[in-house]
Amino acid sequence: DGGITQSPKYLFRKEGQNVTLSCEQNLNHDAMYWYRQDPGQGLRLIYYSQIVNDFQKGDIAEGYSVSREKKESFPLTVTSAQKNPTAFYLCASRGLAEEQFFGPGTRLTVL
Amino acid sequence: GENVEQHPSTLSVQEGDSAVIKCTYSDSASNYFPWYKQELGKRPQLIIDIRSNVGEKKDQRIAVTLNKTAKHFSLHITETQPEDSAVYFCAASGVGTGGFKTIFGAGTRLFVKA
Repeated sequence: DGGITQSPKYLFRKEGQNVTLSCEQNLNHDAMYWYRQDPGQGLRLIYYSQIVNDFQKGDIAEGYSVSREKKESFPLTVTSAQKNPTAFYLCASRGLAEEQFFGPGTRLTVL
Repeated sequence: GENVEQHPSTLSVQEGDSAVIKCTYSDSASNYFPWYKQELGKRPQLIIDIRSNVGEKKDQRIAVTLNKTAKHFSLHITETQPEDSAVYFCAASGVGTGGFKTIFGAGTRLFVKA
């Protein structure tokens, strides 16, 4: 299961706070992705990055921000503008092939 | 926009029976179709995939079929076992204006009763 890690595993946020979720990979992959998963639902794309210093909005980018300053790292910030942030967040990376490799996820709960 | 529909949302089978999950996609540019298995609280893991130039692929008890004309693809699990119980996601991937993207179905929760 190594290669792509996320931290923390559990995160609690008070309303009005910004929080940042970490995603790191040592697979030398160019592309990285952030997904949100709600109970009983599939994965929805928040942001993705095909290469360092470049990223694109996914289907549900509002209230989130990302950066891609290093190839290994793709942190996601959940801002106070995200009205319903409680969810399971999954990061993934992809190399030259099509297969995506997922991190273990971060479960974010708003108190 | 592009979407992937997946059915059924829940599937319950007896151990040893077969399970079939079906998906349809809308984006004609999709050319890669992975299937992921996700156990409770864990990360999705790829179990099988198929590319658009192939109609069928099999790996032991798991097989996937693709009908590109109809934009349908299906997962078949034979001789199901209790450890097959999980949520299964289909997905459709391809290169669009923003680069390579994957759209996931909503998932099928499979219960295999011993």
